[in-house]
Amino acid sequence: GQQVMQIPQYQHVQEGEDFTTYCNSSTTLSNIQWYKQRPGGHPVFLIQLVKSGEVKKQKRLTFQFGEAKKNSSLHITATQTTDVGTYFCAGPFVFDSNYQLIWGAGTKLIIKP
Amino acid sequence: ETGVTQSPTHLIKTRGQQVTLRCSSQSGHNTVSWYQQALGQGPQFIFQYYREEENGRGNFPPRFSGLQFPNYSSELNVNALELDDSALYLCASSPESPTYNEQFFGPGTRLTVL
Repeated sequence: GQQVMQIPQYQHVQEGEDFTTYCNSSTTLSNIQWYKQRPGGHPVFLIQLVKSGEVKKQKRLTFQFGEAKKNSSLHITATQTTDVGTYFCAGPFVFDSNYQLIWGAGTKLIIKP
Repeated sequence: ETGVTQSPTHLIKTRGQQVTLRCSSQSGHNTVSWYQQALGQGPQFIFQYYREEENGRGNFPPRFSGLQFPNYSSELNVNALELDDSALYLCASSPESPTYNEQFFGPGTRLTVL
């Protein structure tokens, strides 16, 4: 079936270091969405990327969509404690008119004490 | 403008029982999606309703069913509960848009099956 793979599963960083999570789809995507889920919370939408090669920035967060629209990344510069949480990518798949939104397993950002 | 609400917040059931979870979508949103999130996992798409019709379904058995009402609120029903159904069930609503898919999530219902 359709898959969205996300790596790494965890990333431990010192506050102030950078963080990156990568997302790969088994097939070409029409768009990709990124969400953040704080511990004990629910996912919160961050952004949607649509165009091949698209790069979007939100303050310290940089999102990229690959040229083939099969991969994406989220990079956080100079992490802060408020960045702690799990970051998910999600891609839509349509097969036989059936729509599904498939999520990656997430990358958990952990700030070392 | 109220956000997405879900009820109940927590629920304990025994194997074989049936459960109904409820979701009120954000004002003006006509699309509702349901997800199952096991501990430490990503959300798994169960199904999506658009204007009272199911327009997408994930790889869940038929004992997972749903409804969307004319006011766009929604229910998730699970029959013949199994231990593996223990999870956080999330509802998300989104406004109608052919190209922009921002979803707004509710706080979830934590279901425990004993």
